[in-house]
Amino acid sequence: AQTVTQSQPEMSVQEAETVTLSCTYDTSESNYYLFWYKQPPSRQMILVIRQEAYKQQNATENRFSVNFQKAAKSFSLKISDSQLGDTAMYFCAFILISNFGNEKLTFGTGTRLTIIP
Amino acid sequence: DGGITQSPKYLFRKEGQNVTLSCEQNLNHDAMYWYRQDPGQGLRLIYYSQIVNDFQKGDIAEGYSVSREKKESFPLTVTSAQKNPTAFYLCASSIKVGAEQFFGPGTRLTVL
Repeated sequence: AQTVTQSQPEMSVQEAETVTLSCTYDTSESNYYLFWYKQPPSRQMILVIRQEAYKQQNATENRFSVNFQKAAKSFSLKISDSQLGDTAMYFCAFILISNFGNEKLTFGTGTRLTIIP
Repeated sequence: DGGITQSPKYLFRKEGQNVTLSCEQNLNHDAMYWYRQDPGQGLRLIYYSQIVNDFQKGDIAEGYSVSREKKESFPLTVTSAQKNPTAFYLCASSIKVGAEQFFGPGTRLTVL
């Protein structure tokens, strides 16, 4: 079974600073996707960024980028120039891609990020 | 607007009663999912459906049931057999199983 670990339950950073959220995962498979989801106080889950395991290049979406280290099974999220609207729970998630069509998304327990004005 | 809707936003239930949570999507997605979220925990998969008239149990299916009679709809019934049903329930859909999932706004269920 796949597992996803987020070792930082809470983090806080001053507005405009850069923050990195950690995520590690465990799998023996080689074909999978990784995601970061954001859940603001409204509790709506929003996809932040996605990384395919077969791609060596780290994914980037505006101020959000990842550091994907496949050998180390690490998938950290970097938020640059943090804004007050970035305050949210952030979940790392993993999905195995198989030919059986039974892939399931596995979530970590989340990191609560607070941006301080 | 395309998206996923869940209703109601808040739901209260007496012990021993069944209750059904609604999830509708107009994204033309084949796959739909139900998750449960408890404080301090990530999302846990209850049931998922890859296609109409087909669904599979997730990690915590006991005490829940689903149906998928239409592509757009995937209602979740929380039965009286669910021992601790108070939680936040999220519905999601994806174009196919394995693709990125898009979430609805959630339903907060409280058992009185």
